[in-house]
Amino acid sequence: RKEVEQDPGPFNVPEGATVAFNCTYSNSASQSFFWYRQDCRKEPKLLMSVYSSGNEDGRFTAQLNRASQYISLLIRDSKLSDSATYLCVVNILDRGSTLGRLYFGRGTQLTVWP
Amino acid sequence: GAVVSQHPSWVICKSGTSVKIECRSLDFQATTMFWYRQFPKQSLMLMATSNEGSKATYEQGVEKDKFLINHASLTLSTLTVTSAHPEDSSFYICSASSPTSGSRYEQYFGPGTRLTVT
Repeated sequence: RKEVEQDPGPFNVPEGATVAFNCTYSNSASQSFFWYRQDCRKEPKLLMSVYSSGNEDGRFTAQLNRASQYISLLIRDSKLSDSATYLCVVNILDRGSTLGRLYFGRGTQLTVWP
Repeated sequence: GAVVSQHPSWVICKSGTSVKIECRSLDFQATTMFWYRQFPKQSLMLMATSNEGSKATYEQGVEKDKFLINHASLTLSTLTVTSAHPEDSSFYICSASSPTSGSRYEQYFGPGTRLTVT
């Protein structure tokens, strides 16, 4: 079983729409959680960290449910520039490590059309 | 801050040759660097973790004699793909992390190197 599972999509939405992505993780020892954005043929870029209390950054809202091992990302008022692949990422602190390692989901592809 | 560069950004090589990819942290000292590989429409897969001055730790299934990693300084790690084959064609991405570069769980990614082996 994969550490991080995401619906690969694609999601095709019009400008201004609200879209939600979901992600589940299998390891209850996961320490921290992130959403990354990856544009075609580019490296992943950190979009936002995800905190237990939920957090918001402009049009983006992230939620974490540790009991269900579930993470979500909500994008409101979608822009054309939001078109990208969104990666759900968890960090698991390996024994003896202070940094842990990241596990990436396959990503959910979003296309916002005019 | 926390900028990571990679060189080259893309490379085409013939089967059987070796290719070296450099990863540099430009404005911070990276005690740990990570090397990932990403095939089309797949997730990033960690290949190895390298700590400055010590041997890299390879993930299961990654041949250490084929993918040579050297982390000789706090700002530079190199990945050498030896005797490359077409199946090694992929997007190779490094990341760097250090307690001084921000959240200790955050990694900063390089722009990636696209390798095509003909």
